[in-house]
Amino acid sequence: DIVLTQSPGTLSLSPGERATLSCWASQSLASNSLAWYQQKPGQAPRLLIYGASSRATGIPVRFSGSGSGTDFSLTISRLEPEDFAVYYCQQYGTSPQTFGPGTKVEIK
Amino acid sequence: QVQLVQSRAEVKEPGASVKVSCKTSGYTFIGYYVHWVRQAPGQGLEWMGWINPNSGVTNFAPKFQGKVAMTRDKSVSTAYMELYGLQSDDTAVYFCARGRYNAYDYVDSFGQGTLVTVSS
Repeated sequence: DIVLTQSPGTLSLSPGERATLSCWASQSLASNSLAWYQQKPGQAPRLLIYGASSRATGIPVRFSGSGSGTDFSLTISRLEPEDFAVYYCQQYGTSPQTFGPGTKVEIK
Repeated sequence: QVQLVQSRAEVKEPGASVKVSCKTSGYTFIGYYVHWVRQAPGQGLEWMGWINPNSGVTNFAPKFQGKVAMTRDKSVSTAYMELYGLQSDDTAVYFCARGRYNAYDYVDSFGQGTLVTVSS
């Protein structure tokens, strides 16, 4: 199985600050088959980014994804109050699909 | 709009089975894979597998082989996930999610989740 590692485990920031979340894969991902999801307490995950860098429908431009091969990142340019949540990366190009353990973005 | 509405929460005894439904609307059911993902309390997301609603072909994560079945009823645009031999560590929220047109692709919409509690 492809193992995804996310860093940091928790990110403490203030609204308006920039957030950079990292995701590393144990092997190169075919066709940059990496997605990012946001999850708030008691809610289902929401797709933010697919194909490493394509924003999903309706996702604000402050969310951007980058990377290739084994190293990927999600950047939130200026944190809004509603962005404080847990973020998961997922690889979907190889079965079984796998998720990273998540990064919690909390209010400082 | 795309909607996936899941069945209500269940409480089951160890050793029992549970069947969760996922009724879809707002899109062509047979055109998109349906995935199942679970989340134990306070834990991360775990991919279980998918079903091709058109053909009925399934693919499961090795951990769930022999433990899960995924079926569908095209007449009511509904997918089902049945989990057998429940143990306490199967206590989790189970999500269905709409995949894309291809098997190896991301999911773009989730159901609201169904809490399955395994307890004697």
